[in-house]
Amino acid sequence: KAGVTQTPRYLIKTRGQQVTLSCSPISGHRSVSWYQQTPGQGLQFLFEYFSETQRNKGNFPGRFSGRQFSNSRSEMNVSTLELGDSALYLCASSPQGLGRSGYGYTFGSGTRLTVV
Amino acid sequence: AQRVTQPEKLLSVFKGAPVELKCNYSYSGSPELFWYVQYSRQRLQLLLRHISRESIKGFTADLNKGETSFHLKKPFAQEEDSAMYYCALSGWGETSGSRLTFGEGTQLTVNP
Repeated sequence: KAGVTQTPRYLIKTRGQQVTLSCSPISGHRSVSWYQQTPGQGLQFLFEYFSETQRNKGNFPGRFSGRQFSNSRSEMNVSTLELGDSALYLCASSPQGLGRSGYGYTFGSGTRLTVV
Repeated sequence: AQRVTQPEKLLSVFKGAPVELKCNYSYSGSPELFWYVQYSRQRLQLLLRHISRESIKGFTADLNKGETSFHLKKPFAQEEDSAMYYCALSGWGETSGSRLTFGEGTQLTVNP
């Protein structure tokens, strides 16, 4: 069973540019979440999608957005990149999401974004 | 608001010694607690869920609602346990969607 796949693995972008990251969840998983990991702030929740709908959103500016497709694949977009957006962006999938399902999330290897 | 605190950023023990990684949380509802582990150059992996009450790789964790803690324990540490450990919390049965709140992590080093 394939795991959570994130592409690309590495990205280097210039300030002001925009970037799109992709995530393919485990087959059958309908919930996809995105997290930002940095040495200073640790792991922070960006947003969660379930059946193409954003169910929950973290405290990030509107430059960070995402979407989910009918096959559960998800993309996140960051516009007008800033140096502080340099981070490891993690995608995680779960059959139903958290809560009463009791499932944890399965994480991908991440996309390392460097903004110069 | 959800908050997870891992008071120790670094923890170093010798092989065969007991190890306890501390986790305290703050949450007004019914929490769902997890431990995740990240070995060097590997992805974040789920280690334990409090609802399953299982032991994985010799690790156990008990949810103590009175002390709002979910400490991770292992009686005899092994060198391969060296990794970064994250405690995480989610609201149980939330209708507003799912989100994990992570602690800052504890880097465990098991010395030979």
